[in-house]
Amino acid sequence: AQSVTQLDSQVPVFEEAPVELRCNYSSSVSVYLFWYVQYPNQGLQLLLKYLSGSTLVKGINGFEAEFNKSQTSFHLRKPSVHISDTAEYFCAVSDRVKLTGGGNKLTFGTGTQLKVEL
Amino acid sequence: GAGVSQSPRYKVTKRGQDVALRCDPISGHVSLYWYRQALGQGPEFLTYFNYEAQQDKSGLPNDRFSAERPEGSISTLTIQRTEQRDSAMYRCASSLARAGVPGELFFGEGSRLTVL
Repeated sequence: AQSVTQLDSQVPVFEEAPVELRCNYSSSVSVYLFWYVQYPNQGLQLLLKYLSGSTLVKGINGFEAEFNKSQTSFHLRKPSVHISDTAEYFCAVSDRVKLTGGGNKLTFGTGTQLKVEL
Repeated sequence: GAGVSQSPRYKVTKRGQDVALRCDPISGHVSLYWYRQALGQGPEFLTYFNYEAQQDKSGLPNDRFSAERPEGSISTLTIQRTEQRDSAMYRCASSLARAGVPGELFFGEGSRLTVL
């Protein structure tokens, strides 16, 4: 079984400042890693994903994340945030081994509310 | 449609009533997932389908919960004899899946269920 820990429930930051949202996971098997964003009254949207290869992955809206296997982390970063980045961000994992028939069953963290202020 | 459509968006019901939540996935998407999200929590897996076959229902909390996707497209999540603890946002997602590759999940806006 996997689990995901997002240590920060809320992160306030000023516009144009950098931000890091932390994500740690626990799993006995190899995993795929994801970040999803949820804007108010909308569905979750994929921000970026790590499947294999380079541990630094880039996503939409200028976000990037780095997979660190030794620390079992997948922190999300953005060098300069904008008001429009205000949203809830969810880290998620799926089990590489059990991925059959295209199924992608995700285990989500509890989310981090990013609030960008002027 | 252009995205995953869920209905109703809001449902208020009395304890003991049955409810049916509908999900219309993106056309052509093979896989369909149901998640439940309690307030302040992340989405929690309930069940998923490939075409009409229910591949995994390990997340359904008890036998009051069931789901079907009879023609491999629209899916219905049914909760019988609702209880207050069933109150949550129910989210549907679909994916253009390929075997062995984690396809991107496209989520609908969700159905918010309130059981009085």
